[in-house]
Amino acid sequence: AQSVTQLDSQVPVFEEAPVELRCNYSSSVSVYLFWYVQYPNQGLQLLLKYLSGSTLVKGINGFEAEFNKSQTSFHLRKPSVHISDTAEYFCAVGGNTGKLIFGQGTTLQVKP
Amino acid sequence: EAQVTQNPRYLITVTGKKLTVTCSQNMNHEYMSWYRQDPGLGLRQIYYSMNVEVTDKGDVPEGYKVSRKEKRNFPLILESPSPNQTSLYFCASSFQGGELFFGEGSRLTVL
Repeated sequence: AQSVTQLDSQVPVFEEAPVELRCNYSSSVSVYLFWYVQYPNQGLQLLLKYLSGSTLVKGINGFEAEFNKSQTSFHLRKPSVHISDTAEYFCAVGGNTGKLIFGQGTTLQVKP
Repeated sequence: EAQVTQNPRYLITVTGKKLTVTCSQNMNHEYMSWYRQDPGLGLRQIYYSMNVEVTDKGDVPEGYKVSRKEKRNFPLILESPSPNQTSLYFCASSFQGGELFFGEGSRLTVL
């Protein structure tokens, strides 16, 4: 069975500071890993994904994540956040069936 | 424009009154799924469909039904809604193994 744990429910950070949102997963098979962002009153939008290949994945809006198989982690990072990055972020794990298992979400609060 | 369309976006109903939330995608995706989003619980899968006439239960299927008669449509049916089904619902679709594309969400309140 697959599962995802997002280690922080809320992450407050000041504008232009770096941020890391943590995600650990559990799976007995090869995984695909995703980060989605949800802005207020909107659906989920894909930030980035890891399917195979390079463990450092770059996504939209300056975000990147690193797949670490030994630590079963897929942490999301951005070197300098903006107010507009305030949103809820979801980590998800899936396989080749299409089904995704989501974490509980992390609310990123960027303060001026 | 490639999209997943859900209707209605907002609905207030009463206990026991049957309702259907429609979902349509124009990307020819085989895979479609319904999730509900509740505070502190993230997104939980209700039902999914691997292709036409192929549906299966997700993690929280109780109280819901689905059908997949056409590739593009995947309606969610609440035969007898109850207050614990008050939630934000998302439909999503993908090619198998690909990223999920989400609709804008349907906020349902059951009184």
